[in-house]
Amino acid sequence: EVQLVESGGGLVKPGGSLRLSCAASGFTFSTYTMDWVRQAPGKGLEWVSSISWNIDIDYAESVKGRFIISRDNVKNSLSLQMNSLRAEDTAVYYCARDGGFGYEFSDWGQGALVTVSS
Amino acid sequence: QSALTQPPSASGSPGQSVTISCTGTSSDVGNYNFVSWYQQRPGKAPKLIIYEVSKRPSGVPGRFSGSKSANTASLTVSGLQAEDEADYYCSSYAGSKNYVVFGGGTKLTVL
Repeated sequence: EVQLVESGGGLVKPGGSLRLSCAASGFTFSTYTMDWVRQAPGKGLEWVSSISWNIDIDYAESVKGRFIISRDNVKNSLSLQMNSLRAEDTAVYYCARDGGFGYEFSDWGQGALVTVSS
Repeated sequence: QSALTQPPSASGSPGQSVTISCTGTSSDVGNYNFVSWYQQRPGKAPKLIIYEVSKRPSGVPGRFSGSKSANTASLTVSGLQAEDEADYYCSSYAGSKNYVVFGGGTKLTVL
């Protein structure tokens, strides 16, 4: 069974930093593209960042230059380093596995809440 | 404002069918057969129910079906059940620059 478990969420002041982690199990992590998708309170979904099995990386324009995605294929973990945080970054951040067919997110973690507020 | 346009709400009675639309552009929905649909119940993570326009992952009931015409994709839920009440989001691949874009979501109410 695929399991994705996020950690590292919390309250941070504007301009601050936070690092999210996602522990993966139940599949061969090193062969899958992994993503971060976020959802602001009461709002829709927004793709944030993607990292392929061969470290091809993409970022949404809204986070480019501030967020850094990385993966550790030995520890089966995905990370998102979030710097220069803004109030509009407040959201539940989901770790998601790319299904491998057509840019769909086949499996999701339970989410980690990040609140940016003074 | 979301890149893909969905109606904010939809409704139907048990047993009926309901269709939710998802309108994009020739840069996303109209250019790729990479449209997905997700179901999200309150307080839960989204769940993939349709990928590549019309394919269903294992375990998703056949009551859920997807289609696409030009720049608009559609999700049809047939034989509505109370458990189908949820928010539904569409997404589409949008090329290497924008990667994946989502719709704003549709709240489906089973009357």
